Amino acid sequence: TQLLEQSPQFLSIQEGENLTVYCNSSSVFSSLQWYRQEPGEGPVLLVTVVTGGEVKKLKRLTFQFGDARKDSSLHITAAQPGDTGLYLCAGISSNTGKLIFGQGTTLQVKP
Amino acid sequence: NAGVMQNPRHLVRRRGQEARLRCSPMKGHSHVYWYRQLPEEGLKFMVYLQKENIIDESGMPKERFSAEFPKEGPSILRIQQVVRGDSAAYFCASSPPVGQREWNEQFFGPGTRLTVL
Repeated sequence: TQLLEQSPQFLSIQEGENLTVYCNSSSVFSSLQWYRQEPGEGPVLLVTVVTGGEVKKLKRLTFQFGDARKDSSLHITAAQPGDTGLYLCAGISSNTGKLIFGQGTTLQVKP
Repeated sequence: NAGVMQNPRHLVRRRGQEARLRCSPMKGHSHVYWYRQLPEEGLKFMVYLQKENIIDESGMPKERFSAEFPKEGPSILRIQQVVRGDSAAYFCASSPPVGQREWNEQFFGPGTRLTVL
């Protein structure tokens, strides 16, 4: 069974601080996606990483896929209150393409 | 290009009633996935469908739950004889056919929040 462990589960920081969210598994994933979910809404895709060692940047967000394609991280630089939300990592099952989600990280950025 | 559409956004049912949740995928997308999100939990896969075919239903309870994606019209997730434990947010996602741009990415609808009284 493929599982994704996401940490931390909750994070409360001050505006301007940096943070990193981790997503780890003992299984290899063909690709991994990061989503952000606002209360009452569906997850919105932020990025897809495919190649081991890949790094992608989206403004102040940096996403990294581990060399062995078993883990990923999301780093936010100079967090802002608008970054507040639930961040989810999800790996694609190699069998059927279904997404396996981590538990999520609830981020609160205080002004 | 409209995104994934789900309706209703909110659904209230009494125990024992039936719930029907609808999902219209993005234009050009032929793959539909249903996920369930219980309070304080992550999203869990339920079922994966292509037009007129169920590809993977390994995450869907064997009893009371069924799903379809007909040749015409939206995908339907049907829950018969609902119980309080069925209360959750149900999300639909769609993706384009394999080989097309973004084929390995899933785009989510806004969800249907089911409350069972």
